[in-house]
Parts: sequence; structure tokens; C-alpha cells
Amino acid sequence: DVKVTQSSRYLVKRTGEKVFLECVQDMDHENMFWYRQDPGLGLRLIYFSYDVKMKEKGDIPEGYSVSREKKERFSLILESASTNQTSMYLCASSLRNLQYFGAGTRLSVL
Amino acid sequence: AQRVTQPEKLLSVFKGAPVELKCNYSYSGSPELFWYVQYSRQRLQLLLRHISRESIKGFTADLNKGETSFHLKKPFAQEEDSAMYYCAPNRSNDYKLSFGAGTTVTVRA
Repeated sequence: DVKVTQSSRYLVKRTGEKVFLECVQDMDHENMFWYRQDPGLGLRLIYFSYDVKMKEKGDIPEGYSVSREKKERFSLILESASTNQTSMYLCASSLRNLQYFGAGTRLSVL
Repeated sequence: AQRVTQPEKLLSVFKGAPVELKCNYSYSGSPELFWYVQYSRQRLQLLLRHISRESIKGFTADLNKGETSFHLKKPFAQEEDSAMYYCAPNRSNDYKLSFGAGTTVTVRA
């Protein structure tokens, strides 16, 4: 069974803080993704990584960066959190087109 | 621009009634199409993919290339089908998926 683990289920941060969201997968997948999930907007891709140290911007990368130093770990970084980044964040890894999701991190920025 | 549209945000049906969730896409080429489902308090998971042509939990989805649609159907809805459903075509030649806005299905007893 594929396991994608996000380190936190809930996070509360203050405006301007630097925020790290961590994701680990145990299936040796090359591809990993970060999405944000908002009501009425579905899932929007923030960043994508297809290999260690490789990354590609998704549809809404502004205000975010990522890090992939090891194959199993993909981190999403909010350099200076803002209230409009309050959302549910989902991490996924994929074997070809089949994506497997983590449980999500609900981030509130106050 | 490439797009995927799920026109219904909310769908409410009675138990035992048929349910159909619409999905239209505007991708060139031959995208692979998926339906993902998220039950309450569970993670998003794959429901079915068009190339497998199988029925999962009583759901089927037919790819209609002429109408560029991939509607999800179940003849007799059950209460446990209440969930959020996302249609997701893959973008051509890579492993990224585009997700629709989602349809929340409520099956009432």
C-alpha cells in the first residue's frame, strides 16, 4: 500500500511567518506534487517535482517555493505567510498518471 | 486554454436513484481521464480511470471523444456514495493532472 504522509494535519501561523509543510512517500515514486484545495476551485497545482532537486511551477506558484533534497521527501515553503494562503494543502506522489494523496494539512494564517 | 468543467457543484439524490456527474474537458490529443473521490474525513483517492473500463463501487464512466466528456454514472446510488468527486484529465505527455472544481454528492435515505 502506498503511503503518503504529511507531517501536520492542522497548522496555525501568523502573517509574515515562514512556514514549512512536509511530505514523505514510501513507494520510491519519482513524481511528487503540492496542491491547494479550496471550495469551488477544486485542486490547483502549486509545484511539481519529477526528480530529486528538480522542480517545476504549477498553476499558482506565487508566494510558494519547494525543496526536494531526497526522493522520498517534498517540502512546500511559504516564505512569508499571508492570510490568502489559508487553505487545505494536499501532497501527492505518482507512479506514471496514478496519483496517491496524503491526508492534507489545513493551514490557517492569522 | 486547456480546461476541465464539472458544471454541478452540488448534487442531491435519493437512495436507489440514478446519479450522473458531468465532466467536460477541452484538451487536445488523447488525454487519460480519471475520477477521484474524497469521502468525509478521508484522503482523496482514485475511483476509476477510463482506460481500465471497469466498474468500481457500481460506478462507470464513458469517454466520449466527440463530446469531450467523461461523465460518471451509477444506476442506484447508496448513502455511502456521499462524497466529493473530482474529474481529472492528465495534461498531454506528462504526469500532471488537472482537477475540476468538484461535485459534492449527497445521497439521502
